[in-house]
Amino acid sequence: DTAVSQTPKYLVTQMGNDKSIKCEQNLGHDTMYWYKQDSKKFLKIMFSYNNKELIINETVPNRFSPKSPDKAHLNLHINSLELGDSAVYFCASSQSGRAAGELFFGEGSRLTVL
Amino acid sequence: DQQVKQNSPSLSVQEGRISILNCDYTNSMFDYFLWYKKYPAEGPTFLISISSIKDKNEDGRFTVFLNKSAKHLSLHIVPSQPGDSAVYFCAARGTNDYKLSFGAGTTVTVRA
Repeated sequence: DTAVSQTPKYLVTQMGNDKSIKCEQNLGHDTMYWYKQDSKKFLKIMFSYNNKELIINETVPNRFSPKSPDKAHLNLHINSLELGDSAVYFCASSQSGRAAGELFFGEGSRLTVL
Repeated sequence: DQQVKQNSPSLSVQEGRISILNCDYTNSMFDYFLWYKKYPAEGPTFLISISSIKDKNEDGRFTVFLNKSAKHLSLHIVPSQPGDSAVYFCAARGTNDYKLSFGAGTTVTVRA
C-alpha cells in the first residue's frame, strides 16, 4: 500500500491548458504539502494544508490553486499552463502538530508543458 | 534566496569508505535539521534528523553532526554501500515552522 500516492506520474500538455494533479495519503496525517522541484533541483514549498485549512501559501502565481476536500487528499489545479511550469511536483504529508515533522513524499508528478 | 546550501553537487566514493556530505544554512532561527535520500523516479525519503540542542545524532551507518556556531551540518555514511548511491537533500526549519527549506541536493555515487 503506497503511503502517499500522486496521479498522474507523468503529464505532457500544451501551453494554455488546465490540468490537475491529485494526491492522497493513507497515513492518517493531518498536514499535506505541495513542493515543486525545478530544473535547478531545488525543492520549494508551494502550499500546505493542515486539517483542510490552508496554512502555507508561498509566492506562486494564482494560476495554481490547491484544494483539500478532506485531510487525506490535496489536489493541485493549474490554469493556463506556461512553459515555466514544467517541473516535478511532489506531494507530501506529515503529522506535524505545530511544526513540520518528518515529511513523507509521493513519487512525484513530472509535468511537461510544450 | 536559498537559506540551505549544499555546495557540492556530487560526490564519488569507493564502497566501504566514508561519505561526508556537507550542508550550510543562513537562517539563525533554524533549529531542526533533516536529511532526505532520493532515488531516481521516487520521492525523497527521510533518513535522519537532529535538533539544535544536540551536536550529533547516529542511526546505524548514518551520523549527522551539527555545528550551530558555524551554521553547518554534515552527514557521514560509514561504510558506504552501493545502495547508498542516491541524491541526498539537507533540510531545515525553525520552531513552529510548517515548512522545510531544502538544499539543492548532493548526488552520491558509491563505486564498487
